[in-house]
Amino acid sequence: RKEVEQDPGPFNVPEGATVAFNCTYSNSASQSFFWYRQDCRKEPKLLMSVYSSGNEDGRFTAQLNRASQYISLLIRDSKLSDSATYLCVVTRGATNKLIFGTGTLLAVQP
Amino acid sequence: NAGVTQTPKFQVLKTGQSMTLQCAQDMNHEYMSWYRQDPGMGLRLIHYSVGAGITDQGEVPNGYNVSRSTTEDFPLRLLSAAPSQTSVYFCASSYSPTLGTEAFFGQGTRLTVV
Repeated sequence: RKEVEQDPGPFNVPEGATVAFNCTYSNSASQSFFWYRQDCRKEPKLLMSVYSSGNEDGRFTAQLNRASQYISLLIRDSKLSDSATYLCVVTRGATNKLIFGTGTLLAVQP
Repeated sequence: NAGVTQTPKFQVLKTGQSMTLQCAQDMNHEYMSWYRQDPGMGLRLIHYSVGAGITDQGEVPNGYNVSRSTTEDFPLRLLSAAPSQTSVYFCASSYSPTLGTEAFFGQGTRLTVV
């Protein structure tokens, strides 16, 4: 079983739709959680950190459920420019190594 | 603002050849790491460093060496290239390994071993 699991998609949604991604992780000792975004043939970039109380950044909302060991990302009012792969990331160990999920592909259609 | 600079961007090697992928960061980050990304596998950690002179293995270290003689540079050496090392390689750096801070990635090196 992978340490971080994500539905690979693709999620094909129309512009303006709301879409949600979930991610589960297996290591209960993980301390930090992130969503990264990766455009086609580009490097990953931080989208947002995920906090226990949940957090929002514009159209993006991230939630963490430590008891169930899952992380979610909600995107409201999808834009064409949101089309990308979304990577769920957790940390492991004293040096907080980043452990990546395989990513969820989002394609926003006009 | 250079950030993390990786060279080369593309490389084709023959089986058995060796090469070094270069990575440099100008943000004075303590933590640097190398990942490889393969379809369906996500990014997997090869080696990492928590500071100059300190390196350690990640999930998939076999066939790769690293060194960290300065804070800025973290080269990755392929000792004897194999087709299984065909992949996209990313170098990343972050401010502190203990705070779980944002990682900044280089633009990647697309390596093909024939």
